[in-house]
Amino acid sequence: DAKTTQPNSMESNEEEPVHLPCNHSTISGTDYIHWYRQLPSQGPEYVIHGLTSNVNNRMASLAIAEDRKSSTLILHRATLRDAAVYYCILRVANFGNEKLTFGTGTRLTIIP
Amino acid sequence: EAGVAQSPRYKIIEKRQSVAFWCNPISGHATLYWYQQILGQGPKLLIQFQNNGVVDDSQLPKDRFSAERLKGVDSTLKIQPAKLEDSAVYLCASSLFTGSAYEQYFGPGTRLTVT
Repeated sequence: DAKTTQPNSMESNEEEPVHLPCNHSTISGTDYIHWYRQLPSQGPEYVIHGLTSNVNNRMASLAIAEDRKSSTLILHRATLRDAAVYYCILRVANFGNEKLTFGTGTRLTIIP
Repeated sequence: EAGVAQSPRYKIIEKRQSVAFWCNPISGHATLYWYQQILGQGPKLLIQFQNNGVVDDSQLPKDRFSAERLKGVDSTLKIQPAKLEDSAVYLCASSLFTGSAYEQYFGPGTRLTVT
């Protein structure tokens, strides 16, 4: 499986935008980029995913580099509830055998 | 819509004892996953079911771990006998779609402590 590289930890001030980077230099043309987050004492939850184009949803935005070797998860206005571990994951579209391979993620701390 | 249910939420056992975890996925989800998450690490896939058939169990320690999914719905993960290194959170997840519209839904997990 293609690997991702994320910073171990980041801090951000409350109510400010947060940009979480992810490098995936060995990504292949059919790999989807997924982001999940894990709040304390909870299971991971889906945040967003994309293939080539930038994506927006109610939780976040995903900016994908033109060469697809990196991406950035953007939280537009961080709240204390956004403090979590954020995982950037590459997924091969293998119909009927989909799975996610988690790394260690980025621990995001929000400063009040 | 009800989420993925797991029980128990917490379990403490002594090494060499047996333990079982139960998972009820979201209704209609054909694919079910069991993950092991050791403190400070990301979740590691143990086994993946498609309906009641095993798709991937390559990382399941089969000498002590077993899992089944009865009638393609509920699933049970068992450890027998447990070792100290099995202390972890065991997460169950389920998914419905494949291809571009793919999302896994996770349960709250079962925290296992082996003493």
